[in-house]
Amino acid sequence: SQQGEEDPQALSIQEGENATMNCSYKTSINNLQWYRQNSGRGLVHLILIRSNEREKHSGRLRVTLDTSKKSSSLLITASRAADTASYFCATDAAGANSKLTFGKGITLSVRP
Amino acid sequence: SAVISQKPSRDICQRGTSLTIQCQVDSQVTMMFWYRQQPGQSLTLIATANQGSEATYESGFVIDKFPISRPNLTFSTLTVSNMSPEDSSIYLCSVAPGTAQETQYFGPGTRLLVL
Repeated sequence: SQQGEEDPQALSIQEGENATMNCSYKTSINNLQWYRQNSGRGLVHLILIRSNEREKHSGRLRVTLDTSKKSSSLLITASRAADTASYFCATDAAGANSKLTFGKGITLSVRP
Repeated sequence: SAVISQKPSRDICQRGTSLTIQCQVDSQVTMMFWYRQQPGQSLTLIATANQGSEATYESGFVIDKFPISRPNLTFSTLTVSNMSPEDSSIYLCSVAPGTAQETQYFGPGTRLLVL
């Protein structure tokens, strides 16, 4: 079963705008990770946030984690057409021995 | 990070046949995993490939259907046996190279179509 559930399922924005994607999960986690997938290819790791962290930045990416609400958000600022892809959150549940459980994914379209 | 390659990148197979997918990593890694991504869906973990011992399968996946080998710390294979059209998916291997075994890095995937 899916641990992470992202919303919205699809997002379409104009280049230059910010994109916010949300992920909710059900059980306690060691960490939560966000991945990007372009056109059914391999996944690219974007960022990892540990359960004792609340916010993390990497370039144009900002990730927050609220363990009390079991939710995370991924913000992409100043979006570009090249950001068009599917985005997945994945949780490493506590005691799961590094096994990741992926959400259904969000399809982001950035219009030039 | 680790560089991962998979072979083949894609294949079209007839039902009833088997296909073996190879995953090669450019460095020794502790953990290797195999995932399936059905069309338009998310990733589902098939199994953890254990070096020198039998793979650990997730619920719904069995060794007879998806035999896995891992002869060393840089290489693994996944076989999709007795294929049916329902096996049409992207198959991805991933590795968790660090001692903390946190971040996973994914191969480019093998796109399989079964007719």
